[in-house]
Parts: sequence; structure tokens; C-alpha cells
Amino acid sequence: AQSVTQLDSQVPVFEEAPVELRCNYSSSVSVYLFWYVQYPNQGLQLLLKYLSGSTLVKGINGFEAEFNKSQTSFHLRKPSVHISDTAEYFCAVSIIQGAQKLVFGQGTRLTINP
Amino acid sequence: GAVVSQHPSRVICKSGTSVKIECRSLDFQATTMFWYRQFPKQSLMLMATSNEGSKATYEQGVEKDKFLINHASLTLSTLTVTSAHPEDSSFYICSAGRPDYGYTFGSGTRLTVV
Repeated sequence: AQSVTQLDSQVPVFEEAPVELRCNYSSSVSVYLFWYVQYPNQGLQLLLKYLSGSTLVKGINGFEAEFNKSQTSFHLRKPSVHISDTAEYFCAVSIIQGAQKLVFGQGTRLTINP
Repeated sequence: GAVVSQHPSRVICKSGTSVKIECRSLDFQATTMFWYRQFPKQSLMLMATSNEGSKATYEQGVEKDKFLINHASLTLSTLTVTSAHPEDSSFYICSAGRPDYGYTFGSGTRLTVV
């Protein structure tokens, strides 16, 4: 079975600073990888996804992520954060074939300080 | 883009009563929908996979008689929490879509059982 580990439960960052949210996954088969953002009392919004091809994926709101197969990682980055980026971020994985359900990491709370 | 509508957004019910939550795909057909439960400050836990025209597939540890899922059409899945108790209070979220398109999530339902 596949699994996802988000290495940091909380990440505090100053406004306009860069940020990296770490995600590692485990799977014996090929997977799709996702990052979602959740604002308080809301559902999840897709930031970006990796399906195949270029390992650098660009998403919405200036976020990007890099797929590293050898390190089984899919870290999320943003070069300059804003107060509005304060939210919970979830990394998720789905196997390509078979039961295509999403498995989520534990989440990372990103807090942007002025 | 794909839109998933979830209703109601908030519900308060008395202990022992049942509550129905609806999840609709507004602009696409969804043969499969997913139901998640989220406790405060925690990740999403997959409860079940809802399959149109057939029985739902429940994750291990989820009581299928407590959480009834019906997927009667290609655009509607419902989750009924039967004989609700305070420990069922939680945030319930549905999602639909395909992994290569990126799953779309509903806005969630906050259930409070008093």
C-alpha cells in the first residue's frame, strides 16, 4: 500500500521569504502525486499535480513542486510567500492503476508572519 | 473546471437521529466518489469509495451500518450518518474526479451531534 509522510507539522515563515514544505512517499507501483491547500472550515483546493513528464511542476498561486523518484520526494516550494498563504497543506498520492483513491499525508500548517 | 457541491455546510442534530449529507458533481459525471472524515487539526481519513450503481467500498474500521452511502446517479452520492452520537461529530468531505484530472473536493460538512 502507498503512504505519504509530511516531515513538518508546522512551518512558520516571514512574509516574502521562501518556503519549502517537505513530502516523501512510499509505493511499490507508479503513482500520481498531488499537493492540496485547505483554508479553515473549507474543502481542499488542488495546488498542483505530477502525473508524468517534467519533474518540475508549476501550480496555482506561485507554488511549484519537484518530483524526485530516487528520493521518493515531492517537495512544495514558493519563492516568496504572502500572508494569504497561511493555510494547511496536504501532500497526497494515488496509484495509477487499480483503486485510484487518494492517500493523504498528515498535513503541514504554514503560518506566515508579517 | 470540475465543481463538486456538498450540502449542507453545517448541521447540528440530536443524539440518536440520522443526518444525510449530499455530494453532487455539477459539471461532470462521476462513477466514483470518495468520502473523507477530518478531525480537528488532523489529516483526511478516507472512509469509503462510493460506486455508482453498486455497493460502496468501506475502509477498514469504518462501520458500514453507521455510515450509509448511496450513489444512485452519476452526479449524486449521499452519506447518511445513522443514529448519530457525539463521537460522530466531525468534518466530512467528499471528492470526485479522476487522478489524471486531479480530484475535486466539496466544501465540507461540519456535523455537530448534541
